[in-house]
Amino acid sequence: AQSVTQLGSHVSVSEGALVLLRCNYSSSVPPYLFWYVQYPNQGLQLLLKYTTGATLVKGINGFEAEFKKSETSFHLTKPSAHMSDAAEYFCAVSDHAGNNRKLIWGLGTSLAVNP
Amino acid sequence: IAGITQAPTSQILAAGRRMTLRCTQDMRHNAMYWYRQDLGLGLRLIHYSNTAGTTGKGEVPDGYSVSRANTDDFPLTLASAVPSQTSVYFCASRPTGSSGELFFGEGSRLTVL
Repeated sequence: AQSVTQLGSHVSVSEGALVLLRCNYSSSVPPYLFWYVQYPNQGLQLLLKYTTGATLVKGINGFEAEFKKSETSFHLTKPSAHMSDAAEYFCAVSDHAGNNRKLIWGLGTSLAVNP
Repeated sequence: IAGITQAPTSQILAAGRRMTLRCTQDMRHNAMYWYRQDLGLGLRLIHYSNTAGTTGKGEVPDGYSVSRANTDDFPLTLASAVPSQTSVYFCASRPTGSSGELFFGEGSRLTVL
């Protein structure tokens, strides 16, 4: 069975500092991996995804993530935090068994950005 | 603007009442999903539908029902609401043939007293 673990339910950084949100997964098949962002009182939106190919993927708003198979990780980074990055971030892995694809979700990491 | 529309955005409901949360998409996505989001528990799948006319149970289906009469609409019904169903409910859809990414509505905040 697939699972996702996000290390740290709350992360706080200073504006301009590096953002690192950790995600580890378990999967018996090559995974499809996703990061979603949820701003206050809004739905989730896709930040970036890894399916195949290049292991470093770039997303919106300057975020990127690297798929490391040996570490079963898909950590999310941004070189310089902005106040507008304060949000909830969710890592997910796709259970891509035929057409019945469902996402397995991490519990989320709340990112606070301090001035 | 194309996307997913949920209604109502917020509702306070007396326990025992019946409630239907509406979800409509105009992207012609085949698969649709209902999640509930609770503090500390993340997103939990309630029901899903891979295509019009079919539905399936997710992780936490008890107390909820869905229907999928057409591609665009996927309502979620609470037959007799209980306080433990107080939550934020999100509807989502997935493009056909995609790798799994979902498009979400803005959510419906439900409080059951």
